[in-house]
Amino acid sequence: QSALTQPASVSGSPGQSITISCTGTSSDVGAYNYVSWYQQHPGKAPKLMIYEVSNRPSGVSNRFSGSKSGNTASLTISGLQAEDEADYYCSSYTRSSTLVFGTGTKVTVL
Amino acid sequence: EVQLVESGGGLVQPGGSLRLSCAASGFSFSNYWMSWVRQAPGKGLEWVANIKQDGSEKYYVDSVKGRFTISRDNAKNSLYLQMNSLRAEDTAVYYCARLVAVATLDYWGQGTLVTVSS
Repeated sequence: QSALTQPASVSGSPGQSITISCTGTSSDVGAYNYVSWYQQHPGKAPKLMIYEVSNRPSGVSNRFSGSKSGNTASLTISGLQAEDEADYYCSSYTRSSTLVFGTGTKVTVL
Repeated sequence: EVQLVESGGGLVQPGGSLRLSCAASGFSFSNYWMSWVRQAPGKGLEWVANIKQDGSEKYYVDSVKGRFTISRDNAKNSLYLQMNSLRAEDTAVYYCARLVAVATLDYWGQGTLVTVSS
């Protein structure tokens, strides 16, 4: 049950696009299309942003998109805005019927 | 409106026990899997446990197996986490969350802080 690997930090200027990677194994990310992404602002509970690799819940901006290739999933934020500055976590279902989160990525808007 | 409200956190000595509760409202609690997720101070999220709608299936992260027990009372719309043999490394904010579509945590509570220290 090792955590999925994410870059510690990613930054971009307002209006730019950034991509956060989430690397797992053939036992989790590579095994299922059950990858989710969560946004967490300081002192707040996480918020679901993407589920099942590329689906957006109602109310989430279409500037957020997800994809997957092999054992690596990605979250792209386009048209970066100040309010996007937060921590982002991926998660995946595993072959052991458990969940595993990524190490987390701090997004900074320059 | 879906609401999840955790309670029961606090300061406990190493080796002690604590029971967390999560009160659910705004949805049909008995129709959903539920989860506990924790976050140590300044650290990332860690999934802790899942429980099926009727409590017949439970899954745990390896680090809490044999020490923590997830349970639910559908008549009271409540989720619980019984934590025994607590260790310093269990110090964290504990969130309850609703689990949908196998692996999506779509609603989260505000969390309750558990501090294990002498």
